[in-house]
Amino acid sequence: QLVLTQSPSASASLGASVKLTCTLSSGHSSYAIAWHQQQPEKGPRYLMKLNSDGSHNKGDGIPDRFSGSSSGAERYLTISSLQSEDEADYYCQTWGTGIQVFGGGTKLTVL
Amino acid sequence: EVQLAESGGGSVQPGGSLRLSCEASGFTFRTYWMHWVRQVPGKGLEWVSHINTDGSFTDYADSVKGRFTISRDNAKNTLYLHMNSLRAEDTAFYYCVRSLGQVAYWGQGTLVTVSS
Repeated sequence: QLVLTQSPSASASLGASVKLTCTLSSGHSSYAIAWHQQQPEKGPRYLMKLNSDGSHNKGDGIPDRFSGSSSGAERYLTISSLQSEDEADYYCQTWGTGIQVFGGGTKLTVL
Repeated sequence: EVQLAESGGGSVQPGGSLRLSCEASGFTFRTYWMHWVRQVPGKGLEWVSHINTDGSFTDYADSVKGRFTISRDNAKNTLYLHMNSLRAEDTAFYYCVRSLGQVAYWGQGTLVTVSS
């Protein structure tokens, strides 16, 4: 079964960096994922598509502070030089035959 | 600029029906797969359905299969979600999304409330 696992919460200080993790279920370690951001009281926004080799394709206007990387079944979103507007929920998402799957989301708090 | 504008949300009683629309602009609508994703207020994202470019292929989440129908009108650049036999657990914001799995774009969402 295709499942994405995310930690429910993370926190980091203003100006620091944070690395969020999304883990693919067993047998699906080669899958690409996408990262989406949802700021409070707003709709989600696409950040990037992240392949198993770490290559990624960012959306329009996504700052260079946002980057992605991969290792095995883990997919990462790194945000550097954290700003207050980065405080948001971050969802990973992938796809299989006939389905789309979202992770449970990570709530990022900027201290 | 890519824009997706959902409409049609509102309050409906359990067992009722509703049709959501999503008007697309700023891109060649007929060449993209389209999706509906929903979110219970305060909860995570749940994929609902998708449709291929000419409307000949659709898939649904198990939670809505047999009750919801996705369709599109490429001449009108519009995506639809027909929702029947609505339940309280269908209460959510419904988002129209272009091409999950590629560079995706999200609409602003429309709220559906199912309550007696």
